[in-house]
Amino acid sequence: GQNIDQPTEMTATEGAIVQINCTYQTSGFNGLFWYQQHAGEAPTFLSYNVLDGLEEKGRFSSFLSRSKGYSYLLLKELQMKDSASYLCAVMDSNYQLIWGAGTKLIIKP
Amino acid sequence: GAVVSQHPSWVICKSGTSVKIECRSLDFQATTMFWYRQFPKQSLMLMATSNEGSKATYEQGVEKDKFLINHASLTLSTLTVTSAHPEDSSFYICSARSTGGDTEAFFGQGTRLTVV
Repeated sequence: GQNIDQPTEMTATEGAIVQINCTYQTSGFNGLFWYQQHAGEAPTFLSYNVLDGLEEKGRFSSFLSRSKGYSYLLLKELQMKDSASYLCAVMDSNYQLIWGAGTKLIIKP
Repeated sequence: GAVVSQHPSWVICKSGTSVKIECRSLDFQATTMFWYRQFPKQSLMLMATSNEGSKATYEQGVEKDKFLINHASLTLSTLTVTSAHPEDSSFYICSARSTGGDTEAFFGQGTRLTVV
């Protein structure tokens, strides 16, 4: 079966760095997405990786290793507004998105 | 990024009535639109995939006669929750993928449905 695993919850301190991991097992691979979702709102796109390596976009970076079925989202200089759920999703061979359950990130002052 | 508009943002309806939710791609043509529901503190659950001009493909366990999906044009898909019941109360979200071959799906704002 298809499976996306990510931690349920993480806690970090304002100003620090946090890494949210995602491992996947899917039928085919057409890219991995990270989305941010604040409570009561729809997800917003953060990043898309289809090739191995690190993609940097401001305070957020996303890494992919296809051979390991592994990705991480790195958030630097954490701000209180970064408190949200972070969703990892993989697009399979049918171009369907397979979603992880999300990681709730709690930022403490 | 591209804009997907979902309407209404929230709706309260009486048990037994029907509710229609619209999803529009404002600045691109969407070959495929996806409908999700999300219960509190849970991940997105794909309900159905709709392609313009054809019948929607429903995920296992989703009643197609209860959740009517129409994708009549490349910019509009609608989800109608028929004979709504309190257990249908949820957050419904649509997303759309363009015809241009982009793999990214853009999300609407979501609709909070409360059935009383």
